[in-house]
Amino acid sequence: AQSVTQPDIHITVSEGASLELRCNYSYGATPYLFWYVQSPGQGLQLLLKYFSGDTLVQGIKGFEAEFKRSQSSFNLRKPSVHWSDAAEYFCAVGANTGFQKLVFGTGTRLLVSP
Amino acid sequence: DAMVIQNPRYQVTQFGKPVTLSCSQTLNHNVMYWYQQKSSQAPKLLFHYYDKDFNNEADTPDNFQSRRPNTSFCFLDIRSPGLGDAAMYLCATSRDIGRKGETQYFGPGTRLLVL
Repeated sequence: AQSVTQPDIHITVSEGASLELRCNYSYGATPYLFWYVQSPGQGLQLLLKYFSGDTLVQGIKGFEAEFKRSQSSFNLRKPSVHWSDAAEYFCAVGANTGFQKLVFGTGTRLLVSP
Repeated sequence: DAMVIQNPRYQVTQFGKPVTLSCSQTLNHNVMYWYQQKSSQAPKLLFHYYDKDFNNEADTPDNFQSRRPNTSFCFLDIRSPGLGDAAMYLCATSRDIGRKGETQYFGPGTRLLVL
């Protein structure tokens, strides 16, 4: 069964600084990988996804993520954080056969300081 | 804009009193999902509908039921809410199942409080 680990519960970044959120997955085959963002009291919005091809994936709001098979990682990055990026970020893995159940990590809460 | 709508956004119920949460979608997607998200935790899939085919997760309590009367609407029924059922309930849709990189689109959620 697939699983996701997000080792950082909270991260604080200064506005304008770069950001990297870590995600490690466990799955026996090539996974489908997703990053979602959740603002307070809101649902989840898809930032980006990977399922094949180029291992560097571009998403919305200036985010990107890199799939590294050797490290079982799919870290999310942004070169310059804005105050509006403060939110909860969830990494998720989906199986690539049959029913594509999403398994989410426990999330990383991003705080942006002035 | 095509979207996933959840009503109400906040629901207060009493311990043991049945409650129904509503989800509708204008995306015309085949699949609708219900997730439970407790405070500071990851969303957890309760069940999903593929068209009219209902699929329950093995660890979803019997207290939780769902109905999908048509493509657009899906309901989550909690027959006898307990204090432990207080959570955010998220509805999501996807066009299909098992397609490569199929994206799930989430609604804003309904926060349930059990008194």
